[in-house]
Amino acid sequence: DVVMTQSPLSLPVTLGQPASISCSSSQSLVYSDGNIYLTWFQQRPGQSPRRLMYKISNRDPGVPDRFSGSGSGTDFTLKISRVEAEDVGVYYCMQGTHWPYTFGQGTKLEIK
Amino acid sequence: QVQLAESGGRVVQPGRSLRLSCAASGFALSSAAMHWVRQAPGKGLEWVAVISYDGSFKQYADSVKGRFTISRDNSKNMLYLQMNALRGEDTAVYYCSTLPVAGTLDYWGQGTLVTVSS
Repeated sequence: DVVMTQSPLSLPVTLGQPASISCSSSQSLVYSDGNIYLTWFQQRPGQSPRRLMYKISNRDPGVPDRFSGSGSGTDFTLKISRVEAEDVGVYYCMQGTHWPYTFGQGTKLEIK
Repeated sequence: QVQLAESGGRVVQPGRSLRLSCAASGFALSSAAMHWVRQAPGKGLEWVAVISYDGSFKQYADSVKGRFTISRDNSKNMLYLQMNALRGEDTAVYYCSTLPVAGTLDYWGQGTLVTVSS
């Protein structure tokens, strides 16, 4: 199975400051169609997860443009340009290129 | 609006069976592959199973293969997860989701809690 490794696992951030989460995969996530199916999810406290970003860098409707995704091959990054209070929660990367789909361990973002 | 509503979670003894259901409204289930994802208490997300839009393709996580069966009834707009030979490590909130990896919309239910304990 593809192992997804996130860092850091805990991310204390001051309001208004940037934040960055890394995600690496144990093998290439390039699918046979040339796409990389790397997805980012946010799970706010007490809520179901919601998708933020798909195919590395495509934002879902309603996701603020302070969120951005980048990366290629096996290394990916989710960035928040200026953290707001509503961004508190756990962030997961997930690969949807290989079966079984696999998630990273999660990164808990909190306000310092 | 679109809603996915899981049900069927409860306390069950190890070795017993349980069937979870996921009812879709405001959304034609037949248009999407559907997934089950679980989250053990205080832990991260774990993908469990997928079924294609027409039921012809299914995949399972190794941890549930041979014990869990995913199915769907598009005429009823329903998704199911039959769980047999339950173990303590199956204790989790189970979510149904479209879990799209491309541009289609992302829908999740509120989850249903399964507790495996004697």
